[in-house]
Amino acid sequence: EVQLVESGGGLVRPGGSLRLSCSASGFIFSNYSMNWVRQAPGKGLEWVASISTRSTYIYYADSMKGRFIISRDNSMKSLFLQMNSLRVEDTAIYYCVREFISTRSYYFDYWGQGILVTVSS
Amino acid sequence: SYVLTQPPSVSVAPGQTARISCGGNNFGSKIVHWHQQKPGQAPVLVVYDDSGRPSGIPERFSGSNSGNTATLTISRVEAGDEADYYCLVWDTDSDHWVFGGGTKVTVL
Repeated sequence: EVQLVESGGGLVRPGGSLRLSCSASGFIFSNYSMNWVRQAPGKGLEWVASISTRSTYIYYADSMKGRFIISRDNSMKSLFLQMNSLRVEDTAIYYCVREFISTRSYYFDYWGQGILVTVSS
Repeated sequence: SYVLTQPPSVSVAPGQTARISCGGNNFGSKIVHWHQQKPGQAPVLVVYDDSGRPSGIPERFSGSNSGNTATLTISRVEAGDEADYYCLVWDTDSDHWVFGGGTKVTVL
């Protein structure tokens, strides 16, 4: 059974930093690109960042570029998100998401349960 | 940046059909995926590659994509289908994943 479990969330002051982790199980982690997606309270889904299987290709949403760093450790079956210079508007549930490659394209097939990050003074 | 447009809400009576649209510029070249999110839960994939249905998703859920609009169709709507639905595409121009704003489906 595919499982994605996020950790590392919590309350942080504006301007502070936080590192999220996602522990994967039930599949060969190194075979899949991974993503972070977030959802602010009462708002829609927002893609944050994407990382390819060997970390060769890394992409960020414009509002996160330069502040957030996505990384992975295939030996530990883990995905990370280092969040720096946090703002109040970064308050959200952050989801770890697996990316599946089909014959036509790629898409998000499994989501973690999410972890809450609150940025507040 | 690329923008996907969805109607904010759709209301439908039980047993009827709900149709949720998703559109954007040069949409015909995009491949669309749909996720369902119920309150307090993580999203779940319900349609991939415009019209594919993951295992475990009822046949009542179907997708199509033509012209400048993709459509998620929910046939014989049930109370349990009440949720937010999001379309999703990969924008090759920006190398970004892009979500639509979401559509809240209310079962009357």
